[in-house]
Amino acid sequence: LAKTTQPISMDSYEGQEVNITCSHNNIATNDYITWYQQFPSQGPRFIIQGYKTKVTNEVASLFIPADRKSSTLSLPRVSLSDTAVYYCLVVVSGGYQKVTFGIGTKLQVIP
Amino acid sequence: EAGVAQSPRYKIIEKRQSVAFWCNPISGHATLYWYQQILGQGPKLLIQFQNNGVVDDSQLPKDRFSAERLKGVDSTLKIQPAKLEDSAVYLCASSASGGLYEQYFGPGTRLTVT
Repeated sequence: LAKTTQPISMDSYEGQEVNITCSHNNIATNDYITWYQQFPSQGPRFIIQGYKTKVTNEVASLFIPADRKSSTLSLPRVSLSDTAVYYCLVVVSGGYQKVTFGIGTKLQVIP
Repeated sequence: EAGVAQSPRYKIIEKRQSVAFWCNPISGHATLYWYQQILGQGPKLLIQFQNNGVVDDSQLPKDRFSAERLKGVDSTLKIQPAKLEDSAVYLCASSASGGLYEQYFGPGTRLTVT
């Protein structure tokens, strides 16, 4: 299973776009990149998942370059309520292989 | 759609006592996970069930932790005897199936061992 590396923490002002980059150098052909968000005292919540290029939903965008060795989660115009820990995971398609959560990136949005 | 239910929400016990946590996954979800999350760390998978069979329990401390998922629905996680280092939040999650399927997490049980 590919190991992921992401910054431990980030600060951003309200209204700014936030980009969190995750490195996964050993990603395999069948692996997908998945991001979860966790607020204090809550379980993680799925944000977005992608395989290559760009994926966008109502919450975020996920950019994955052609070599897939990294990915960037983009949060447009963050608000105070986006303060949370964001986890980048590499997930194997097919089968039931476990997912591994790292420490994640603690995003602090400043007013 | 009802989410993943867990109980109790909080539990305080003394070391060497036993404790049990209960999880009711989203209806129809075949895969159920138990995670341990220590303060400041990401969730660590303890055990993964597919229906009522165990898919992965490689990180479950089997000398003190046990889990079951009878009839492929509800699940219980037990610790006996508890140690101080077991203080953590225990999260239950479920998904339609394993792999790429989105995991839905419950609110967790915060365990304090004194």
